Amino acid sequence: GAGVSQSPSNKVTEKGKDVELRCDPISGHTALYWYRQRLGQGLEFLIYFQGNSAPDKSGLPSDRFSAERTGESVSTLTIQRTQQEDSAVYLCASSFRGISGYEQYFGPGTRLTVT
Amino acid sequence: EDKVVQSPLSLVVHEGDTVTLNCSYEVTNFRSLLWYKQEKKAPTFLFMLTSSGIEKKSGRLSSILDKKELFSILNITATQTGDSAVYLCASNAGNMLTFGGGTRLMVKP
Repeated sequence: GAGVSQSPSNKVTEKGKDVELRCDPISGHTALYWYRQRLGQGLEFLIYFQGNSAPDKSGLPSDRFSAERTGESVSTLTIQRTQQEDSAVYLCASSFRGISGYEQYFGPGTRLTVT
Repeated sequence: EDKVVQSPLSLVVHEGDTVTLNCSYEVTNFRSLLWYKQEKKAPTFLFMLTSSGIEKKSGRLSSILDKKELFSILNITATQTGDSAVYLCASNAGNMLTFGGGTRLMVKP
């Protein structure tokens, strides 16, 4: 079946503008994760959704970042009033369940550049 | 705070060489350790390790976990230029993955 998809693949925005990134997980995967990868750095956890439970937002770097997910489908990550340090690749991943023993499958990412 | 450290930071080898990549972790409520290969944007899954001492193998790649010493290694034998990538390890503690900084491997012809 189809893998995790993300859109847009690239986004250039001016400092101060809001951006919205989209993730379509693999059908049937109840868990969805957002990560950020700055240039030359490792992957940084942002937020985790599991079914209808309250999301784990412990990785969000500031209140400018928020994410939503409707049921077990699409998720959007919103960054308000973007700053240059927000420039990164934003990766979404989904897994069958949010329990150890199920690997995460990553989408192709959205490269965000804030000018 | 959970921590995953990979070494070396980068590695340059020639085709046919064998490489060993290291991953150490300090994680509360450790469940499993995962290895990924990242060539462009998205990491691709390689291995998931949950038990100590049991080697997982896929072609020229293999990996093993030591839960007592809190580390894992990823071996690649007879390296090829197509193995050039960043290799990431991640610890799974509950519902979250904590990633190491990666090892950048370059395989020269």
